Amino acid sequence: GAVVSQHPSRVICKSGTSVKIECRSLDFQATTMFWYRQFPKQSLMLMATSNEGSKATYEQGVEKDKFLINHASLTLSTLTVTSAHPEDSSFYICSATSGVQETQYFGPGTRLLVL
Amino acid sequence: AQTVTQSQPEMSVQEAETVTLSCTYDTSESDYYLFWYKQPPSRQMILVIRQEAYKQQNATENRFSVNFQKAAKSFSLKISDSQLGDAAMYFCAYRSPWGTSGSRLTFGEGTQLTVNP
Repeated sequence: GAVVSQHPSRVICKSGTSVKIECRSLDFQATTMFWYRQFPKQSLMLMATSNEGSKATYEQGVEKDKFLINHASLTLSTLTVTSAHPEDSSFYICSATSGVQETQYFGPGTRLLVL
Repeated sequence: AQTVTQSQPEMSVQEAETVTLSCTYDTSESDYYLFWYKQPPSRQMILVIRQEAYKQQNATENRFSVNFQKAAKSFSLKISDSQLGDAAMYFCAYRSPWGTSGSRLTFGEGTQLTVNP
């Protein structure tokens, strides 16, 4: 299957700082990438959908100014958590697909801890 | 809006035995895709199996097979000859094929599978 990477795998930061998470499709062109948030023992919650070259579409209740998403190329999307606070601590997962008809492939996730 | 329900928060099975995980969904669409994803302790989401709604034949992948009942909107996963490595959280997911959100997945709550040696 296709490979999606995420970096970093784990990050600890101080409250008030910004953190950037990268999501890359390594062996295919990702026309669409998705960002999820997952709390322990819960399902994945879709945060936003990003299509290459256009603005991300955010789910209801997700703050656009707090979770900045950029999908500047067909292989890279970034999620920046701005002015992070302890309640932003979570597991963030990205996924990518090469087309509407295609399967979503997931990155390994990033564990964010805000102190 | 589509919804996906997994009514079994936890399941357990003996090694080498067979287990079935349940999933039901609600949709008004006639064409769609269904998936089972596995999330082991590493938390990497792994695609287990995929089913297109227009196909009557149930999908199979080695020890994994599904029972797709379109009229009943049911999509169960059967794991045969269970192995210790099958222990994971399993998520059922629905995807609509159309529109700008056509790739979007709707996940169920998950079923935590334990495999006992």
